[in-house]
Amino acid sequence: EAGVAQSPRYKIIEKRQSVAFWCNPISGHATLYWYQQILGQGPKLLIQFQNNGVVDDSQLPKDRFSAERLKGVDSTLKIQPAKLEDSAVYLCASSHRRGNDGYTFGSGTRLTVV
Amino acid sequence: AQSVTQLGSHVSVSEGALVLLRCNYSSSVPPYLFWYVQYPNQGLQLLLKYTSAATLVKGINGFEAEFKKSETSFHLTKPSAHMSDAAEYFCAVSDSGNTPLVFGKGTRLSVIA
Repeated sequence: EAGVAQSPRYKIIEKRQSVAFWCNPISGHATLYWYQQILGQGPKLLIQFQNNGVVDDSQLPKDRFSAERLKGVDSTLKIQPAKLEDSAVYLCASSHRRGNDGYTFGSGTRLTVV
Repeated sequence: AQSVTQLGSHVSVSEGALVLLRCNYSSSVPPYLFWYVQYPNQGLQLLLKYTSAATLVKGINGFEAEFKKSETSFHLTKPSAHMSDAAEYFCAVSDSGNTPLVFGKGTRLSVIA
């Protein structure tokens, strides 16, 4: 079974620029998550999708972050404009409809904002 | 709302010694509990999970964890540490299979030869 694919692996941008991350979940997984992991901290949920609908985006900074999951498969997370404090690893994960089997994580995208 | 506290941001053990990583949770309903491991520059890998079956859960790489409701704990153990166990370990909780996982801040395990 192929894992969760994310790209790019690394990205360096200047503050106020925009950036986008892509995620392709495991085939058949209805639920997709984006987490932000700041250095030295645990992952923090940004947004949860069920198929192509948003279930939870309460912690997504909507003034600068946006995410979509068209057709209920792959997803894109965008930041515009980026701030220094957005420097982090952005992890995508997927699970079956019910997540009690745990999530499968991608390798993440490490974003550095300078 | 659920939360997780991992005691000790860094634990160091000798090779062959017991590994004990502590996790306490808060949840208003019976929780689902997970331990994940993260190696440098990689995503998180599931070690083991508790989903209301046996309270002693065995995972991969010789790790196990025991769910203790009275102590609201889910500590991770391994009888004998190996150099390859050096990594970051995260405890996570969900108060049902449908709510997103909430992670602790992580514990970095170092193994000394």
